[in-house]
Amino acid sequence: RKEVEQDPGPFNVPEGATVAFNCTYSNSASQSFFWYRQDCRKEPKLLMSVYSSGNEDGRFTAQLNRASQYISLLIRDSKLSDSATYLCVVDTGGFKTIFGAGTRLFVKA
Amino acid sequence: GAGVSQSPRYKVAKRGQDVALRCDPISGHVSLFWYQQALGQGPEFLTYFQNEAQLDKSGLPSDRFFAERPEGSVSTLKIQRTQQEDSAVYLCASSRNYDSGANVLTFGAGSRLTVL
Repeated sequence: RKEVEQDPGPFNVPEGATVAFNCTYSNSASQSFFWYRQDCRKEPKLLMSVYSSGNEDGRFTAQLNRASQYISLLIRDSKLSDSATYLCVVDTGGFKTIFGAGTRLFVKA
Repeated sequence: GAGVSQSPRYKVAKRGQDVALRCDPISGHVSLFWYQQALGQGPEFLTYFQNEAQLDKSGLPSDRFFAERPEGSVSTLKIQRTQQEDSAVYLCASSRNYDSGANVLTFGAGSRLTVL
C-alpha cells in the first residue's frame, strides 16, 4: 500500500463548479500536511498547508481528519486557471516528505 | 540565489552512460531533497540532506544512484550505468526549516533525463 493515496481522477468540471479531492495517508505519526499544485511540465508549487482545525484560502478549503488519516481539498467557483494536478503531501516526521500520485483537474469553459 | 536552480534542464544519455545532475538550492536553506518523477506520476522521494549530512537515502532505487552535498549547499545526483527505466524528471527541492516536519519545499524546474 502506498504511503499517500489520492483520488485517481481526472476530474472534468465546468467553470463555476465546486470540486473536492480526497487523500489518505498510512503513517499515523505524520505531522504536517500540504497540498501542492503542479502545472503541466512544471515543478510542484505549494498551494496551502493543512491545519488540524481546517483552513481556508480564498476559494480553497483544506480539511484534516487525523483519526481517519484523511485530508481533503475543496475548490469553489472553479476557474479555467485551476486546471492542474493537485498533489497531496505528507511530512512523516522523519526526513521524508511524501507526495501522492496526484489528481488531475480539468476545468472547462 | 532567488530560487532553486537545476542543471542540465535536459539530458539525453545512451544506456550505460554515467550522468550527473546538479542542484543549487536557495541560499541559506538547510534541507535539500531529491525526487524522481515519472510521466503521469507524483514525485517519488529519493534522498534528503540536512546541510552536508545525508540523513535519509532510503528512496534511492539502486546502488547506481549516488547523491552528495559536500559543503552543505550545491548537491549532485549521480546515476551510474544508466538504464531506460531511469528516464524521468529529477526534481530538487530545498527548505529553510531545520526541524523535520513542516518542511515547505521550493522546487527547481527539474532535470529531464532520457535514456536511449
